[in-house]
Amino acid sequence: NAGVTQTPKFQVLKTGQSMTLQCAQDMNHEYMSWYRQDPGMGLRLIHYSVGAGITDQGEVPNGYNVSRSTTEDFPLRLLSAAPSQTSVYFCASSYGGSTAGGPYEQYFGPGTRLTVT
Amino acid sequence: KNQVEQSPQSLIILEGKNCTLQCNYTVSPFSNLRWYKQDTGRGPVSLTIMTFSENTKSNGRYTATLDADTKQSSLHITASQLSDSASYICVVSARGNNRLAFGKGNQVVVIP
Repeated sequence: NAGVTQTPKFQVLKTGQSMTLQCAQDMNHEYMSWYRQDPGMGLRLIHYSVGAGITDQGEVPNGYNVSRSTTEDFPLRLLSAAPSQTSVYFCASSYGGSTAGGPYEQYFGPGTRLTVT
Repeated sequence: KNQVEQSPQSLIILEGKNCTLQCNYTVSPFSNLRWYKQDTGRGPVSLTIMTFSENTKSNGRYTATLDADTKQSSLHITASQLSDSASYICVVSARGNNRLAFGKGNQVVVIP
């Protein structure tokens, strides 16, 4: 049971490049989410999904796309990287979100450190 | 305005001593409150989750309290160890809302 895995661990992009951050979980969790963490700020929600085929925007969705074709995977796509997207990105999963009852334990991945130059 | 405020922002404590971290929130309607520990370079790990009806919960040397009337929570660390050096994040969930509100964290450094 690997929990939540993220790849890559580190990435450097040039402004304007695109890339996909991968996230996978093997716990059969319905709820998955992406956060970014910047110095001096709390974790901020980018996008989340309550199940395969269902996604919704979080607090800071601009410049990012997501899709959820399977229960296990929830990739985050940067369409055209900007220096403001330099951050540490965390993927998380739980059995359900708040609307599914609970509360449910949320498990975080190890993070991807992204630098955009 | 952030819906979850934590204090102190950072503190240094001697190994073996106790410390208490504070969390005030304005999230409403309240569903649950969580405390996470985040080691440097790693993802957050859950310590406790408390619902409206719970006013204290322990996880080893970590004890969380909740006063839902005053919208305050605290995390008490007993007999601190060097491995307790980390950021402690308070997270509050609103009923019917799939988004969590995160505090900025309390940075704790334990020195020998």
